[in-house]
Amino acid sequence: DAGITQSPRHKVTETGTPVTLRCHQTENHRYMYWYRQDPGHGLRLIHYSYGVKDTDKGEVSDGYSVSRSKTEDFLLTLESATSSQTSVYFCAINRVEGHEQYFGPGTRLTVT
Amino acid sequence: TQLLEQSPQFLSIQEGENLTVYCNSSSVFSSLQWYRQEPGEGPVLLVTVVTGGEVKKLKRLTFQFGDARKDSSLHITAAQPGDTGLYLCAGGTTDSWGKLQFGAGTQVVVTP
Repeated sequence: DAGITQSPRHKVTETGTPVTLRCHQTENHRYMYWYRQDPGHGLRLIHYSYGVKDTDKGEVSDGYSVSRSKTEDFLLTLESATSSQTSVYFCAINRVEGHEQYFGPGTRLTVT
Repeated sequence: TQLLEQSPQFLSIQEGENLTVYCNSSSVFSSLQWYRQEPGEGPVLLVTVVTGGEVKKLKRLTFQFGDARKDSSLHITAAQPGDTGLYLCAGGTTDSWGKLQFGAGTQVVVTP
């Protein structure tokens, strides 16, 4: 158990509305990640953070923004949700030892 | 672009049979991880391999990293229904520390 929680776990929203997903960790890890998972695509990196206020884009960052004002929290925001952003979103942390990542339980987001 | 290709995409076997899942790439990885994911949950790390030719065993699961560090395999001996899940491989490179490339996954179903 990597001490990662995500909220909400499920959300249904309408096209055009803003949505914020929260990832919270209890182990003070420096690196945090947001992924989306869609059938046939595996996990794709949206954004990641390597410290407070230090973030960078992943391969599918368009339409998403992130913020990290505290070590323990990493927020993912969809400024104006679209149906193509219907997905399962996972947060992950990276322990100091290497590339190994540990994942939260996920948030299932449906945009109608 | 999927840098890591997993095969097969889907595998259905009877309890007690053996199975092998493959993860191939044209890229060289400094480490490669295997994860298992069950429905409604986040991926869980099974193993990390870092040395070309390395073989690791985890009970009935055997993981191998190719000599050139471009491919890996996961072999399950005498599969059990509890082995059912989505198996994901993920590779990391030295020039993208902390960032992983994931394969699309292999769905394994073991029936009693």
